[in-house]
Amino acid sequence: DQQVKQNSPSLSVQEGRISILNCDYTNSMFDYFLWYKKYPAEGPTFLISISSIKDKNEDGRFTVFLNKSAKHLSLHIVPSQPGDSAVYFCAASGRNFGNEKLTFGTGTRLTIIP
Amino acid sequence: DAGVIQSPRHEVTEMGQEVTLRCKPISGHDYLFWYRQTMMRGLELLIYFNNNVPIDDSGMPEDRFSAKMPNASFSTLKIQPSEPRDSAVYFCASMADRGPYEQYFGPGTRLTVT
Repeated sequence: DQQVKQNSPSLSVQEGRISILNCDYTNSMFDYFLWYKKYPAEGPTFLISISSIKDKNEDGRFTVFLNKSAKHLSLHIVPSQPGDSAVYFCAASGRNFGNEKLTFGTGTRLTIIP
Repeated sequence: DAGVIQSPRHEVTEMGQEVTLRCKPISGHDYLFWYRQTMMRGLELLIYFNNNVPIDDSGMPEDRFSAKMPNASFSTLKIQPSEPRDSAVYFCASMADRGPYEQYFGPGTRLTVT
């Protein structure tokens, strides 16, 4: 049972436009969410996170939005750059089962078209 | 810091053979995680340690899989006997015992069992 779902396996966006990656979760006990970015032949690297007490967190070109009632979060990248082409993983954790334990989605492959 | 180090980077073995994957976490990190990445299931947590003690091994697929952490700077994941369905990329990650619960991943070991 996938508790964290990324329903779009792939996404293509024109350079300079906005990229929006989506993630849904089913476990209401999750209270901390992270996005990781992964290039081929490398391990995932941390990108941005958000706590459930917030609905938005911004870091440069990257913004994560959290809608707790819909159990949905999204990652916005503006403007998109060729170096953003990678696989993006959404992950979630919760105090009740140890904040250190992350549950990952299956990933979305983002391709930025020059 | 060199980051999380994994060896080997690639492993090709025949069904029935023993496979040992190795990981050196970032110095000073208290948590160590083993993940498996497949197309169908994304990143799955297999087992994690805190201060060298296994905390949760509920993700270990079956008794053929075992993991050890004899000291703070070394961990192994062993598969015996290996099967073709074990073919995947195996990641090791480490994390400090404090927020914001950001895990640092190694480059992964690509395992192919023929």
